[in-house]
Amino acid sequence: QKEVEQNSGPLSVPEGAIASLNCTYSDRGSQSFFWYRQYSGKSPELIMFIYSNGDKEDGRFTAQLNKASQYVSLLIRDSQPSDSATYLCAVNVGPKTSYDKVIFGPGTSLSVIP
Amino acid sequence: SAVISQKPSRDICQRGTSLTIQCQVDSQVTMMFWYRQQPGQSLTLIATANQGSEATYESGFVIDKFPISRPNLTFSTLTVSNMSPEDSSIYLCSVEGQGPSYNEQFFGPGTRLTVL
Repeated sequence: QKEVEQNSGPLSVPEGAIASLNCTYSDRGSQSFFWYRQYSGKSPELIMFIYSNGDKEDGRFTAQLNKASQYVSLLIRDSQPSDSATYLCAVNVGPKTSYDKVIFGPGTSLSVIP
Repeated sequence: SAVISQKPSRDICQRGTSLTIQCQVDSQVTMMFWYRQQPGQSLTLIATANQGSEATYESGFVIDKFPISRPNLTFSTLTVSNMSPEDSSIYLCSVEGQGPSYNEQFFGPGTRLTVL
């Protein structure tokens, strides 16, 4: 059973539009949620983290968390061609083990069309 | 965030051989993580390396195949043993951040391994 799922891509949006990326997770004990951006041939780069219900904004990025629905999303406003990348949702897997580990979703490929 | 380097950046190896990947961090960290990213796939955690203790392996990964060393707080190695073409992947090390969140991870540049 997958622990972190993301809407399958590729997702294409025109330049200037809002890109919406979604993620669901299975572990109700999860407390930390992350969005990473990965350009082709590069390693993942952390762009947002959130651990309280509601919205968190950072520039053009807004992360939204709903723990009751086990759902986290990332909105990218005024999308730019440079936002074209794979976006990975990551979730910590609660305190079931001796350490917290982070599980990554399969990723959503975003393409912003000029 | 920590600055992480990995060696080698890429390698092409023959079936049956072993490759040791090094990960160096510019600051002391408690936990280091090793991930595999197979072509077109997401990241899969191989093991967690805590200085001074045995590495903790995830389901599907065993110490004989992926031995890990963690001799100090800034360095770790992952060995891919008795390689087969199925081991062709990008191998990434990561460390936890020291910032306001917890569990955030920062990644090294990765080692791209091709096994012939």
